[in-house]
Amino acid sequence: GAVVSQHPSRVICKSGTSVKIECRSLDFQATTMFWYRQFPKQSLMLMATSNEGSKATYEQGVEKDKFLINHASLTLSTLTVTSAHPEDSSFYICSASSQGLANEKLFFGSGTQLSVL
Amino acid sequence: DAKTTQPNSMESNEEEPVHLPCNHSTISGTDYIHWYRQLPSQGPEYVIHGLTSNVNNRMASLAIAEDRKSSTLILHRATLRDAAVYYCILRGNAGGTSYGKLTFGQGTILTVHP
Repeated sequence: GAVVSQHPSRVICKSGTSVKIECRSLDFQATTMFWYRQFPKQSLMLMATSNEGSKATYEQGVEKDKFLINHASLTLSTLTVTSAHPEDSSFYICSASSQGLANEKLFFGSGTQLSVL
Repeated sequence: DAKTTQPNSMESNEEEPVHLPCNHSTISGTDYIHWYRQLPSQGPEYVIHGLTSNVNNRMASLAIAEDRKSSTLILHRATLRDAAVYYCILRGNAGGTSYGKLTFGQGTILTVHP
């Protein structure tokens, strides 16, 4: 079946540094990718939606300049957490969609655990 | 986005059937009902989805009420590996600013006892 690969699975960084997370669709073309974050014992919260070749659409309350999303190809989207701070520590998850249709099942990456010291 | 309501938690014994309910009274005619599950420290995994008719696959069955305002995910014989958070989500077609996104609710924590 379709697979979405997310890398790295875990990253520890110092406060003030930037971290890039990659999300790749391995056997299909992802016109749309979704980025979520999840705090312990909470549900996934959608951060933004990226479409290949265009600007990402951010959910209300998500800072565009802090969470930079690039979807430069049909198989790769990246999320960069800029100037990370301890409150950005979270589990980040991506998902990819090829058609954007209601009856399409979505595939998710395995997640990236970000810890900011 | 149309909202879903699920019980916070449910428990089951191994090898017994599990019925996970979901209410979605504001579902629109074109929304599909999706179920995903998430194991600890992993991304969500697709389970099943449907529109009006009941659906079966190797993982589970999905029973959809005739008025589509509720549905039930059925695990026929629960195993310890089925212990996870189960999310019932409505997905519409991409259009406008929706892009066919999935909005997660709190889900149901399923505990399976040996």
